[in-house]
Amino acid sequence: EIVMTQSPATLSVSPGERATLSCRAGQSVSNNLAWYQQKPGHAPRLLIYGASTRATGIPARFSGSGSGTEFTLTISSLQSEDFAVYYCQQYNNWPLWTFGQGTKVEIK
Amino acid sequence: EVQLLESGGGLVQPGGSLRLSCAASGFTFSSYAMSWVRQAPGKGLEWVSAISGSGGSPYYADSVKGRFTISRDNSKNTLYLQMNSLRAEDTAVYYCAKDYCSGGICYFPDYWGQGTLVTVSS
Repeated sequence: EIVMTQSPATLSVSPGERATLSCRAGQSVSNNLAWYQQKPGHAPRLLIYGASTRATGIPARFSGSGSGTEFTLTISSLQSEDFAVYYCQQYNNWPLWTFGQGTKVEIK
Repeated sequence: EVQLLESGGGLVQPGGSLRLSCAASGFTFSSYAMSWVRQAPGKGLEWVSAISGSGGSPYYADSVKGRFTISRDNSKNTLYLQMNSLRAEDTAVYYCAKDYCSGGICYFPDYWGQGTLVTVSS
């Protein structure tokens, strides 16, 4: 099983500021990495796949980068609706997916 | 518009059984693999099971292997998860998800249902 580790666990950011979330894979997953946003009481929503491709309808302030074992999700200017929990997920070997433990982005 | 609607969750005693359903619409159901992912209260996401578009080739996480059975009825556009020998640690919101597939290869979940809560408790 590929272990995914996210940091930090909680990120306190003021609206309008930049947020940088990290995800590390226990072994190389190439660019087979997705990011999801989850708000309380709701299902996860796909933001990024292929490490850097935004899903349909996702604003340009969300960007992803990285390959191999190190990945980053950047939110360039946080809006009120962006405060949520973010998960990374590797899909290097379908369907044996594994998810990170999540990073909560909260209002500072 | 892709829609996934889960049902069948509820309270069940340890050792009991439950069958979850996921009604799909807005896409050609038989052309896509489907999966179940769960989330224990206050915890992260855990992949549970997946099945190919044809209904063959089921896959299971070790934590549920031998207790859960995934199936699908392509004539009804519905995905199922039969859960037997339930344990307290199976308590979670269960999400069904449509898998993104291209050229016969599947990758990640691109659409998720709203989830159904399964509580295993005496």
